Amino acid sequence: GNSVTQMEGPVTLSEEAFLTINCTYTATGYPSLFWYVQYPGEGLQLLLKATKADDKGSNKGFEATYRKETTSFHLEKGSVQVSDSAVYFCALLYSSASKIIFGSGTRLSIRP
Amino acid sequence: GAGVSQSPRYKVAKRGQDVALRCDPISGHVSLFWYQQALGQGPEFLTYFQNEAQLDKSGLPSDRFFAERPEGSVSTLKIQRTQQEDSAVYLCASNPTPGEETQYFGPGTRLLVL
Repeated sequence: GNSVTQMEGPVTLSEEAFLTINCTYTATGYPSLFWYVQYPGEGLQLLLKATKADDKGSNKGFEATYRKETTSFHLEKGSVQVSDSAVYFCALLYSSASKIIFGSGTRLSIRP
Repeated sequence: GAGVSQSPRYKVAKRGQDVALRCDPISGHVSLFWYQQALGQGPEFLTYFQNEAQLDKSGLPSDRFFAERPEGSVSTLKIQRTQQEDSAVYLCASNPTPGEETQYFGPGTRLLVL
């Protein structure tokens, strides 16, 4: 079946460090891929998305590239800030099915 | 504008009680989704409405779970005879049209069954 596997947390980094959170997926066909973020006390928010192979999604300094050959969608940021501390979820969606399939989440903590 | 709202934000129930969780989607949004998020896990799909029609309920874990959206706006997720394993955060999401990929999530209702 369709599934998403992401790097287990927690991940703790110092401010201005480089971030990578790995995500791989298993799917038939061509899903759209997403990163959602959940800040403390807030609801899930879409961070970025990519809808086809080789697309790069970007937002707030975060980037992820849809790699069909490696079935991956790794999240990266060049210089993290304390305000990036949150739980990050990788996810996929088939438009026809409408439901989003989420990974288990990666908690990120940034030290000042 | 107003986002998706959910109530109550927190609910404590004794095992065996019935609970009702409410979702107010963004005004005018056609599609509405319910997800269940267990502690330390990602959300898992429960059910999907397009207007008042429940088009997919494949994720409902048992017949104790029931969802409705009678007028195509507000939705209620009802859990009968709650069990401890029902303890989770219940998330509601909406989007403006079928096929729109971005779902807008509410803050969730945290349910604790004792």
